[in-house]
Amino acid sequence: DTGVSQDPRHKITKRGQNVTFRCDPISEHNRLYWYRQTLGQGPEFLTYFQNEAQLEKSRLLSDRFSAERPKGSFSTLEIQRTEQGDSAMYLCASSLAGGGNTIYFGEGSWLTVV
Amino acid sequence: GDSVTQMEGPVTLSEEAFLTINCTYTATGYPSLFWYVQYPGEGLQLLLKATKADDKGSNKGFEATYRKETTSFHLEKGSVQVSDSAVYFCALPYNAGNMLTFGGGTRLMVKP
Repeated sequence: DTGVSQDPRHKITKRGQNVTFRCDPISEHNRLYWYRQTLGQGPEFLTYFQNEAQLEKSRLLSDRFSAERPKGSFSTLEIQRTEQGDSAMYLCASSLAGGGNTIYFGEGSWLTVV
Repeated sequence: GDSVTQMEGPVTLSEEAFLTINCTYTATGYPSLFWYVQYPGEGLQLLLKATKADDKGSNKGFEATYRKETTSFHLEKGSVQVSDSAVYFCALPYNAGNMLTFGGGTRLMVKP
């Protein structure tokens, strides 16, 4: 069990550029989540997948954000035309399907938009 | 809707002091409850959980008891160490347990 891994860990980008984050979940987990965390706040839910299907999206996920999990394994989160307000840590997590199962988080990907 | 409220920080303690971080929740039914910890610059790690009322979760000297009468899940540790300095988040599943909602976090600073 290698845990949830995310790449890159840190990204600095200029406003208006596109960025993409990758997440590899725990291998047997069929659910994958994306959360966003800004400084001094708790994580906020963005979206989650069960296998390759995206089952829920938060209102926080504007149309500049897109998440995919094409083969039900790794996932990508792309932010187009980044804005300074997108600066945050993007957390990926995974779990087994089923209510109340423990959700395991990765180390996070820090995004700074300058 | 389902929600979690934590005491605001920062909480500053001397080493070996007793720690309590309050967490109360609003939920339908009796969901599992979780405490996560976040060390500086890192992601969240599961600290402990309780799956039903009156359960006590424990790990690394931390404990929390799921009390349905007071809808609380307070985190306690008898003797904190400098290495416990981190941000602690109480979390509650919602939407049939498919997602987690978090409290705002409580920063703990332990001084030698």
